[in-house]
Amino acid sequence: EPEVTQTPSHQVTQMGQEVILRCVPISNHLYFYWYRQILGQKVEFLVSFYNNEISEKSEIFDDQFSVERPDGSNFTLKIRSTKLEDSAMYFCASSGLGGYGYTFGSGTRLTVV
Amino acid sequence: AQTVTQSQPEMSVQEAETVTLSCTYDTSESDYYLFWYKQPPSRQMILVIRQEAYKQQNATENRFSVNFQKAAKSFSLKISDSQLGDAAMYFCAYRAAGGTSYGKLTFGQGTILTVHP
Repeated sequence: EPEVTQTPSHQVTQMGQEVILRCVPISNHLYFYWYRQILGQKVEFLVSFYNNEISEKSEIFDDQFSVERPDGSNFTLKIRSTKLEDSAMYFCASSGLGGYGYTFGSGTRLTVV
Repeated sequence: AQTVTQSQPEMSVQEAETVTLSCTYDTSESDYYLFWYKQPPSRQMILVIRQEAYKQQNATENRFSVNFQKAAKSFSLKISDSQLGDAAMYFCAYRAAGGTSYGKLTFGQGTILTVHP
């Protein structure tokens, strides 16, 4: 069964450093998403991406965040200057037309120290 | 804005018994999708069951079934013959079928399910 692959599974970074979280969506999917889950809390939408541009973003997704699909296969989330409160699990997801096959990756646990 | 509410922070059930997890949502849309996701300790998001709002028939997947009440905006999950492997956090989620928020999932706060042997 096709999978969404996220790397790394766990990343520890110093406060103020830039991090890039990587995702390989399912190959024939057209819509890509990032979600965040602070430990013990609900999963929150960050951003959706379609046709090489952001289609929607939440209030969490401020100027410190950016997304990119640099090479037609990877989908990345960059946090420019990490804060302690950015520590969370970050999930990538992708879906096909009509939302078909909406699939989550296994997540990247980001720890900011 | 759409909201999803899970009013049961924790639930418990005896192995082999049946448990129902509650979810209500608020939307002005007429066409949408509802989901239940399971999140075990590994924190992976696993789709349990999906319901299209235009379908009157409640979705079922083996031991998992839903009670979808569109007028009441209620979407509960019933787990029959509970197994130890069902223990996890369960999230209810909503997705619009179209419009500007197409694709975005809105999640509830989650319900921790404990299964006792």
